[in-house]
Amino acid sequence: GAVVSQHPSWVICKSGTSVKIECRSLDFQATTMFWYRQFPKQSLMLMATSNEGSKATYEQGVEKDKFLINHASLTLSTLTVTSAHPEDSSFYICSATSGGLYTDTQYFGPGTRLTVL
Amino acid sequence: AQKVTQAQTEISVVEKEDVTLDCVYETRDTTYYLFWYKQPPSGELVFLIRRNSFDEQNEISGRYSWNFQKSTSSFNFTITASQVVDSAVYFCALSEDILTGGGNKLTFGTGTQLKVEL
Repeated sequence: GAVVSQHPSWVICKSGTSVKIECRSLDFQATTMFWYRQFPKQSLMLMATSNEGSKATYEQGVEKDKFLINHASLTLSTLTVTSAHPEDSSFYICSATSGGLYTDTQYFGPGTRLTVL
Repeated sequence: AQKVTQAQTEISVVEKEDVTLDCVYETRDTTYYLFWYKQPPSGELVFLIRRNSFDEQNEISGRYSWNFQKSTSSFNFTITASQVVDSAVYFCALSEDILTGGGNKLTFGTGTQLKVEL
């Protein structure tokens, strides 16, 4: 149980284009989803927290107009990198957690590697 | 503010050796949760264990064991008889208590790269 998928697993795009990444909880309802980015050989940096049906909460320094997050259902959240530039190239990872007594375990997706040319 | 320190950046061992990964945390909360995740080269973070602050009982799962010492704010992870497949980056993480439904933010350590060689 507690499987989270991400799509695509990797994407290469031209500078200036937008890229959408999907995060799905496959076997549970995710009341909260998190988006992280990770640079090579570094730890995970939380970008934003999204709760189903409400606006995402962004961490300080993360541009909400650049990284659009939509948590439209209890099993799907999307991250759209708008007008991507080479500095946005990174590994993006989502995680999900369900409501209930033990709500604090985040289950992670396999990540999406974004390369902006 | 929460903080997690993994002082070991990289550890190299020979297969079958035991290895301990250190994790020291800081928090002002009395209720909190500690985690270990494994990130193999494929990139996906694999959940290993969750421990709440009231449960100091050590845990063993196969070759893995965890030592939670509240007195020293440490939550160390030991792999017994290491194998090449254990090679990965291991992250220790901390989250504070949450009284309402839904997840809470994780504060990650910087990770320890474990290399197990033949």
